[in-house]
Amino acid sequence: AQSVTQLGSHVSVSEGALVLLRCNYSSSVPPYLFWYVQYPNQGLQLLLKYTSAATLVKGINGFEAEFKKSETSFHLTKPSAHMSDAAEYFCAVRSYSGGGADGLTFGKGTHLIIQP
Amino acid sequence: EAGVTQFPSHSVIEKGQTVTLRCDPISGHDNLYWYRRVMGKEIKFLLHFVKESKQDESGMPNNRFLAERTGGTYSTLKVQPAELEDSGVYFCASSPAGHIITDTQYFGPGTRLTVL
Repeated sequence: AQSVTQLGSHVSVSEGALVLLRCNYSSSVPPYLFWYVQYPNQGLQLLLKYTSAATLVKGINGFEAEFKKSETSFHLTKPSAHMSDAAEYFCAVRSYSGGGADGLTFGKGTHLIIQP
Repeated sequence: EAGVTQFPSHSVIEKGQTVTLRCDPISGHDNLYWYRRVMGKEIKFLLHFVKESKQDESGMPNNRFLAERTGGTYSTLKVQPAELEDSGVYFCASSPAGHIITDTQYFGPGTRLTVL
């Protein structure tokens, strides 16, 4: 079984400040990890994904995430927040269980609030 | 290229009624997924089609839910009869044929279902 924990349902940062959204996973087999973002009234959009190549993954809009196996973490960061980053962010995991391709397992999501 | 579309965007029905949700994946995508997010909870996987075949329906909550994908193009998800706990946002996602575990899933905007 696999699971994802996102620490903090709401994270508030000032414009220009560092963004850090936390994600920890649990998986009995090597995981593949994803960050998605949902802007209001839109579908989920992929920010970045880890697929066992480089542990530091760069995504769109200046976001990046680092896979740390020892910490079972895949935290999302951005050096400088913009007002346009205000959205809900989802961490997700997927792994091949051997019994077929399951869907993504999501965390509960984190609302990112940008203070002017 | 058109993205994943879902219809309707909102649906309000009474307990005991039937509702059918529709998803049109990105043209040429063999894989189609349904997910659901109940308020306050995480997004949960419901089922996965490969073309017209159900690959994995382990997430379907009960037999009141019926998903179809005739001809391997669009898909419908019927809830009959609807119960209060079926309220939530239903997402559809698609991905091309290939490495299912690491491929990006492209999400639609979702259908918000309210059962009164």
